[in-house]
Amino acid sequence: GAGVSQSPSNKVTEKGKDVELRCDPISGHTALYWYRQRLGQGLEFLIYFQGNSAPDKSGLPSDRFSAERTGESVSTLTIQRTQQEDSAVYLCASSSTHRGMSQPQHFGDGTRLSIL
Amino acid sequence: AQKITQTQPGMFVQEKEAVTLDCTYDTSDPSYGLFWYKQPSSGEMIFLIYQGSYDQQNATEGRYSLNFQKARKSANLVISASQLGDSAMYFCAMREATSGTYKYIFGTGTRLKVLA
Repeated sequence: GAGVSQSPSNKVTEKGKDVELRCDPISGHTALYWYRQRLGQGLEFLIYFQGNSAPDKSGLPSDRFSAERTGESVSTLTIQRTQQEDSAVYLCASSSTHRGMSQPQHFGDGTRLSIL
Repeated sequence: AQKITQTQPGMFVQEKEAVTLDCTYDTSDPSYGLFWYKQPSSGEMIFLIYQGSYDQQNATEGRYSLNFQKARKSANLVISASQLGDSAMYFCAMREATSGTYKYIFGTGTRLKVLA
């Protein structure tokens, strides 16, 4: 499809395990974002990639969290040694950086992560 | 300090009536963009409307309009003729042009319930 694709849609894992979440942005979108959304809460910024620039990692909550992006395509968010507090929906978004300020973010459906 | 403030955690509106969702923002950047997103209970984030800081007219998209008051730094979303399907979380977001970043800042959201 033409939208942002995230996988898996659901992930249940035991505390202490590592998890890897994947995001396929819209083709041609140079900006890619990861957010965390706890139940009933707003969006918590995690990390932002823009082309070949160094990513903005200012929102990563701890060194257990890391993310990579291959060129202007797929991104993976990795959470090591998961904790129950990591349970949330992880949303990925991408946006074009052409035509200035008006470009909205396009969101994927998210990965619902549950830590037992 | 909060850059985007949504002071209404929850709102009710009668079907077919209009409703205003508040959003105030804080920035010293003269160039910025303001966005509204809708998140139904199914979880997807849907872009609704955009307002640029230099736009002379208030943005409109169908039943959505943005009451942009630059001096007051407010960008309230007005939904006319509310429908049951409008029941959702609504998020206000801002993008500043400083340093050419495409980072977006989100408010905490307002949950709207449309009553039959």
